[in-house]
Amino acid sequence: KAGVTQTPRYLIKTRGQQVTLSCSPISGHRSVSWYQQTPGQGLQFLFEYFSETQRNKGNFPGRFSGRQFSNSRSEMNVSTLELGDSALYLCASSLGSGGRRGYTFGSGTRLTVV
Amino acid sequence: DQQVKQNSPSLSVQEGRISILNCDYTNSMFDYFLWYKKYPAEGPTFLISISSIKDKNEDGRFTVFLNKSAKHLSLHIVPSQPGDSAVYFCAASEGGTSYGKLTFGQGTILTVHP
Repeated sequence: KAGVTQTPRYLIKTRGQQVTLSCSPISGHRSVSWYQQTPGQGLQFLFEYFSETQRNKGNFPGRFSGRQFSNSRSEMNVSTLELGDSALYLCASSLGSGGRRGYTFGSGTRLTVV
Repeated sequence: DQQVKQNSPSLSVQEGRISILNCDYTNSMFDYFLWYKKYPAEGPTFLISISSIKDKNEDGRFTVFLNKSAKHLSLHIVPSQPGDSAVYFCAASEGGTSYGKLTFGQGTILTVHP
């Protein structure tokens, strides 16, 4: 079966712009989480959506937002981009709450802010 | 404050021998622990998990041990194979609806030499 699909794979944006990243979870998965990976901070949790509701939120500023649609597809948006937002953004999906099977990750979107 | 720590940035092992990757945590509310493997340009891949009510879980060549009193977990890979060479992350989550919020360690680069 298809895995977690993230689009686009690569993105270059200018400081001050905004960006939207997309994630299509594995069919049937209702939980979608987003993570930011940088060399300095590692993998950091952004937020989790379950059945269109934000269930958990990490310690990121309000410029980072997300949403989930009725088909479980999710988008995250970053407004007023800063150079420090350059990172690999990973999406992960799960049937419910991870548990024994953990979360399945996509290959990520590499965002570069110039 | 880093709640999950992997103190060894790298580990080098000979093929056929045991690889032991370690992880320490500080948050006593964590009750589920997971190990992920990551290759370059790919998202993390789920390996094995353990609940806080257990002290050991096995899956093929992979065994995870949990010592709650020491707040320490380890991943044993026996026997190690060159294809195991990757970055290994441990992750932890609290219970209930916070399962979806994973806190990751910084990762350990495992190199298995033929």
